[in-house]
Amino acid sequence: EDQVTQSPEALRLQEGESSSLNCSYTVSGLRGLFWYRQDPGKGPEFLFTLYSAGEEKEKERLKATLTKKESFLHITAPKPEDSATYLCAVQASNDYKLSFGAGTTVTVRA
Amino acid sequence: GAGVSQSPSNKVTEKGKDVELRCDPISGHTALYWYRQSLGQGLEFLIYFQGNSAPDKSGLPSDRFSAERTGGSVSTLTIQRTQQEDSAVYLCASSLQGGSGGSYEQYFGPGTRLTVT
Repeated sequence: EDQVTQSPEALRLQEGESSSLNCSYTVSGLRGLFWYRQDPGKGPEFLFTLYSAGEEKEKERLKATLTKKESFLHITAPKPEDSATYLCAVQASNDYKLSFGAGTTVTVRA
Repeated sequence: GAGVSQSPSNKVTEKGKDVELRCDPISGHTALYWYRQSLGQGLEFLIYFQGNSAPDKSGLPSDRFSAERTGGSVSTLTIQRTQQEDSAVYLCASSLQGGSGGSYEQYFGPGTRLTVT
C-alpha cells in the first residue's frame, strides 16, 4: 500500500524566513509525485509534478525537489500570502488515483 | 477557462436521508475522480471514471455510496441513508487522461461540505 508522510504538521515562519517541508513516500513504482496548496474552505490547487529522482521545479518562491524516497518543498523568503496547507501526493505506476499525505500547515507572520 | 465546479457548496442533512452531490469537470477532461476529506485526515480516494470505461469503485467505503457519470461529463455522487461519519468535504477532480497512459495533473473543485446531524 502506498504511504505518504509529511512533516512537520505545522510550521510558523516569520516573513522572509526560508524553510523546507518534507514528504516521505513508499510506493510500488512512482509514476508521479504531486504538490498541492490548499487554502481554508477551498479545494487543493495544483503546484508541481515531479517524475524522477533529481528533478526540480520552481514557481515564484516555491521549489520542489525529488529523491527516491522523499520530496522537499522549499519556501524562499515567504510572504504572508504563502500561508496555506501544502499537500503531497503520489501516483503509483499503472494507477491513477492519488495517495495523499496529511499536509503541512504553513503560517507566515508579517 | 472554467475550472471544476461542484454543487452545492454546503449541505446539511439529517441522519438517514439521501444526498446527491454534483460535479462538473473541466471541459475536455476525460478522467473524473471523487475524494473525501475528513477533519484531521488526508484526502481519501473514493471512485474514478475514465471515458466510457466501467468506473473503479474500489475506494467507496460502503454500499450506501454510489456514483454515476452521464455523457462522459457531469458526475453525481449519491450517499444513501447518511450517517454522522459521512460528514466531510467531498472533492471532485478531473484530468486530461487517467489510466496507465501517463500521469496527468488532477484539478480539484471547491468541494461540497456535507454535515449530517
